[in-house]
Amino acid sequence: EAGVAQSPRYKIIEKRQSVAFWCNPISGHATLYWYQQILGQGPKLLIQFQNNGVVDDSQLPKDRFSAERLKGVDSTLKIQPAKLEDSAVYLCASSLVKLGGPPGENEQFFGPGTRLTVL
Amino acid sequence: DAKTTQPPSMDCAEGRAANLPCNHSTISGNEYVYWYRQIHSQGPQYIIHGLKNNETNEMASLIITEDRKSSTLILPHATLRDTAVYYCIVGYSTLTFGKGTMLLVSP
Repeated sequence: EAGVAQSPRYKIIEKRQSVAFWCNPISGHATLYWYQQILGQGPKLLIQFQNNGVVDDSQLPKDRFSAERLKGVDSTLKIQPAKLEDSAVYLCASSLVKLGGPPGENEQFFGPGTRLTVL
Repeated sequence: DAKTTQPPSMDCAEGRAANLPCNHSTISGNEYVYWYRQIHSQGPQYIIHGLKNNETNEMASLIITEDRKSSTLILPHATLRDTAVYYCIVGYSTLTFGKGTMLLVSP
């Protein structure tokens, strides 16, 4: 079974530039997550999709970050314009869990991440 | 803020059991205890989860105290490849990661 795919693996940009990350979840996984992991910290949830609808985006800095999941499969996360503090690893994960469903199904499968450096 | 407390680091000799503690004194009745680990430069990996009963799978065992205020993840025979950051998480459908425990397995 193929895992969660992410691209690019690495990206270096200058502040105020724009950047986009792509994620392809495991086939059949209805739920998709984007996390931000700053060096030395655990991952922080930015946004959660159920199919192509947003479930939770309470920690997404909406003035500069946006995300979409067209057709309920692939997803893109965009930062525009980037700031120095956006330097982090951006992780995508997917799971089979459904809203209101048994939490025991909430095994999240993570991709390798995209390491963003903002200069 | 994370709802769990874990030691920042632990050491273990290869072949010995690694026992990783976690305190979660404010856990709610419907919240599960999840354990994930993150090997350097990789995404987190699911290990095990439980509600009230002890659980075991091919990777590890999870021991949850009767009052559910703490738990222990046990890796029965640690190998060098088990060196990673281990995250203890309590929740229902959303994972809130803390800083975890850095486990170093040495020869």
